[in-house]
Amino acid sequence: DIQLTQSPSFLSASVGDRVTITCRASQDIINFLAWYQQEVGKAPKLLIYAASTLQSGVPSRFSGSGSGTEFTLTISSLQPEDFATYYCQQLRNYPLTFGGGTKVEIK
Amino acid sequence: EVHLVESGGGLVLPGGSLRLACAASGFTFRDHYMDWVRQAPGKGLEWVGRSRNKENSYSTEYAASVKGRFTISRDDSKNSLYLQMNSLKTEDTAVYYCARRGIPANGGDYWGQGTLVTVSS
Repeated sequence: DIQLTQSPSFLSASVGDRVTITCRASQDIINFLAWYQQEVGKAPKLLIYAASTLQSGVPSRFSGSGSGTEFTLTISSLQPEDFATYYCQQLRNYPLTFGGGTKVEIK
Repeated sequence: EVHLVESGGGLVLPGGSLRLACAASGFTFRDHYMDWVRQAPGKGLEWVGRSRNKENSYSTEYAASVKGRFTISRDDSKNSLYLQMNSLKTEDTAVYYCARRGIPANGGDYWGQGTLVTVSS
């Protein structure tokens, strides 16, 4: 199975900060990676697919990059509604797997 | 507007069975792969399994943790996805979500609100 390691698992940031979250895969997944945002008590929301394609309706302050085994999600200027937990998911091989999550909290 | 609504969750004894349903509306259900994803209390997301569409023979994939105990099926005439869960264990306790695999978005582009399954004696 492909393991995904997210870092950091927790980060504290202020409104307006630039935030970067990393997702490392245990083997080459090309660009078969998605990023999700999950607010407390809600279902996940797709932000990015194919590593760098912004899902329709998602603000442009979110961006994704990377290929192979290393990927990043960047929020260019953190907004109050962005405080949530973020997950990566690989869609290269079955079983599909998620990273452990990164919780973004208000400093 | 796309809607996914899960139902069927509840309290069940270890070793018991439960069948979850996901009712879909607002899109052409038969065209899409559909996933089940779960989240144990206070934990991260865990992919449970996938149902491919008719074009791909409704074939399925499962996580190792549920293979042989859980079965995913669908009824395109009812726009519904199902998860039959047998031999339930306490570690199956979670909120279960159904999610639509997008086209062309390769990811879960729409999710239901989830249904809670509690396995406890």
